[in-house]
Amino acid sequence: GAVVSQHPSRVICKSGTSVKIECRSLDFQATTMFWYRQFPKQSLMLMATSNEGSKATYEQGVEKDKFLINHASLTLSTLTVTSAHPEDSSFYICSARDPTDTQYFGPGTRLTVL
Amino acid sequence: AQSVTQLGSHVSVSEGALVLLRCNYSSSVPPYLFWYVQYPNQGLQLLLKYTSAATLVKGINGFEAEFKKSETSFHLTKPSAHMSDAAEYFCAVSLTGGGNKLTFGTGTQLKVEL
Repeated sequence: GAVVSQHPSRVICKSGTSVKIECRSLDFQATTMFWYRQFPKQSLMLMATSNEGSKATYEQGVEKDKFLINHASLTLSTLTVTSAHPEDSSFYICSARDPTDTQYFGPGTRLTVL
Repeated sequence: AQSVTQLGSHVSVSEGALVLLRCNYSSSVPPYLFWYVQYPNQGLQLLLKYTSAATLVKGINGFEAEFKKSETSFHLTKPSAHMSDAAEYFCAVSLTGGGNKLTFGTGTQLKVEL
């Protein structure tokens, strides 16, 4: 299957700082990528849909000014958590849609905000 | 709107025994249904998907699932559990195909005992 990578795999930051997470489709072009958040022992919650060359579509209740998404190329989407707080600590997972309309998931990024 | 209910947050089976993970869905239109597996601190891997073709869907690692419209179910089964099957399993539904918004169930943690 197709491969999606995320970087970094783990990040620890201080409260008030910003953190950028990258999501890359390694062997296919993805016009659409998705960002999910997963709390411990819970399911994935879709945060936003990222479309190449246009603004992301955020799910209800997700602060777009706090979770900045940029999809500048067909293989890269970034999620920036601005002014991070401890409650933003979570496991963030991206996925990318391939030309066969299948979503492939990245390995996730563990964010810890101190 | 669509939703997925996974009955049993934890399932424990003996190695070699039948695996049965339950999933019921709610959808206003014919759904696309998926099963994903997640190993600790990793992203999700697609096991199988139902897209309105055959009601019995075979996936990777010996798993299969049967779509039963009358019961609004899509239970995941495997005839003989292996230790390597121990993981978290998520059922998901989409209204418009796997490349679009997925709504996940709360997950079932499968434990395989000797």
